[in-house]
Amino acid sequence: KAGVTQTPRYLIKTRGQQVTLSCSPISGHRSVSWYQQTPGQGLQFLFEYFSETQRNKGNFPGRFSGRQFSNSRSEMNVSTLELGDSALYLCASSLDGPTSYNEQFFGPGTRLTVL
Amino acid sequence: QKEVEQNSGPLSVPEGAIASLNCTYSDRGSQSFFWYRQYSGKSPELIMFIYSNGDKEDGRFTAQLNKASQYVSLLIRDSQPSDSATYLCAVLYNFNKFYFGSGTKLNVKP
Repeated sequence: KAGVTQTPRYLIKTRGQQVTLSCSPISGHRSVSWYQQTPGQGLQFLFEYFSETQRNKGNFPGRFSGRQFSNSRSEMNVSTLELGDSALYLCASSLDGPTSYNEQFFGPGTRLTVL
Repeated sequence: QKEVEQNSGPLSVPEGAIASLNCTYSDRGSQSFFWYRQYSGKSPELIMFIYSNGDKEDGRFTAQLNKASQYVSLLIRDSQPSDSATYLCAVLYNFNKFYFGSGTKLNVKP
């Protein structure tokens, strides 16, 4: 069974640009969560999508948005990039939401560098 | 804001010893608690989860939960150099929202 895949793996952008990251969950998984990981802040929850609907959202500005398609693939978009957006962006998929009964599996991440 | 606190370490233990990793959380409404291991340059992988007070054992790993003290810990018995990694404590709140600690770096010396 293929794992969670994320594209691209590395990205370099400049301030003010926008970026779109993609995540393909494990086949059959309907929930996709996105996280930002930085050395200073650790792993922070961005949002979770289930059946094309955003079910939960973390404390990030509106520049961070996402969506999920009918095949459960998800994208996240960051507009007007800032230097502080440089981070590893991880997505995680689970069958029906990351509860204690449904383990979430992480993808390899997209390393975003904002210059 | 839900806080999950971990000592950043590094925690150094000799091979064969018990490594003890600790985590505290601020929200009493937290439902389940998870330990993830993250090797350098890799993504986190789940070690185990616990949601009832007490101990839960899985091989060399034991998770301990004390909801009254808002404290969760992970014990690694017979530590191996391959256990050297960053260990992330995560707290599940509102059924599908995770809060992660910043992680404790563990070094197991041969």
